[in-house]
Order: sequence, then C-alpha cells, then structure tokens
Amino acid sequence: EEQLAESGGDLVQPGGSLRLSCDASGNTFRSYWMAWVRQAPEKGLEWVATINVDGSEKFYVGSVKGRFTISRDRAKNSLYLQMDSLRAEDTAMYYCARENRAHFDIWGQGTVVTVSS
Amino acid sequence: EIVMTQSPATLSVSPGERATLSCRASQNVDTRLAWYQQKRGQPPRLLIYDASTRATGIPARFSGSGSGTEFTLTISSPQSEDFVVYYCQQYKHWPPMYTFGQGTKLEIK
Repeated sequence: EEQLAESGGDLVQPGGSLRLSCDASGNTFRSYWMAWVRQAPEKGLEWVATINVDGSEKFYVGSVKGRFTISRDRAKNSLYLQMDSLRAEDTAMYYCARENRAHFDIWGQGTVVTVSS
Repeated sequence: EIVMTQSPATLSVSPGERATLSCRASQNVDTRLAWYQQKRGQPPRLLIYDASTRATGIPARFSGSGSGTEFTLTISSPQSEDFVVYYCQQYKHWPPMYTFGQGTKLEIK
C-alpha cells in the first residue's frame, strides 16, 4: 500500500526556519509529481508547493515564494519543504500529497508547524 | 488566481435525504475539478476527479457533475459517516496554481 509520512513539524519563533520531511513507502512515488498542502487551524486547505518528477520544476503559492523551497530525493523516496523567514500566518498542519494529473490522490497524516514567540 | 466558491457553507439534511453541494469557479476550469472529504482530525480523502470520476474505493452514492464554472457533488443517501466537510479544488491553471474552495460542512438535520 502506498503511504506517506510527514515529520519535522515544531514550534518555531517568527523569522525562524524549519525543514519538513515526507517519507514515501511504495515504489510508485518516484514517478509522480508531489506537493505540500497546508491547513491553518479551523480553516480550509491551501496548496503550498509542487515539484515535478525529477525535481527540475518547482511551483509555489505566492505567499511563500522566496521563503519556502520544495525538494525531493528520489533515491530515498522522500520529499522536503525548507521553510525560512517563518511568519505567524504559516502556522498550520502541513500535508504532503501525491499528485496524480494535478489532483491529490494520496495524503499523509500531516505534521504541525506553529510559529509563535 | 482562480477563486473557488462553495455553497452553502453548511448544509443540513436528514440521513437518507439527497445532499447537493455546489462549487463555482471564477473562470473556466473545463472539467479539471476534484472533490475531497475531510473528517475531523484526518487528512482529506479524494472522492471525485475530472469533475465526475469517482476515485478508487469511493461508494457509488457519491457523484460529481458539471463543467466550466459550475460543479455539483451529490450524495444520494448520506450515511452517518458522510456528515463531515467537503472541499472542491481546481487544477486547470498552468503553471500550477491550485486553489480550493472554502469548504461545505454537511450536518445532520
């Protein structure tokens, strides 16, 4: 069964940095685009970033451009999100998700990021 | 940015009564639309993609329709576990700029 497991969420001060990881089990993730989607407390879903199969193309929502970097290690079957210059409004549950023709068909359980002093 | 608007914010129906959820796009997205279900404390689950195709393992009581800017998710006879939150998402925009609706909560009348 294909599964995703996020880690790395934590409490961090405004202006700080954090790196999220997403480990994939199963052999098919290497062949798919991958994404990060977040959900602020009691709010809706927001797409954050997407990366293509070989990591050569990356796309971001405007509010994180220049602050967040998505990357992947195909050999390790892992996805990452480097988050710098964190703001209070980045506080959310962060999910990694497999993109299947641009919709998200497999999701991890999420990891919580809290930005607060 | 393509803005997705879901209505109503909360829909109250009796168990077994048909539930119809709406999603409107601010511009044409053809049929590049998905629906997700989210139970409290869980990640979203894909229900429908390409506006009307059920994802693997999704019961037949869930159906999607629409194209262009108007879309509908219908639950023909909601079961107790269906009274949760639903989101639509467009994936028409290129380069990728995926956007979700704000969600509709389905509650028991």
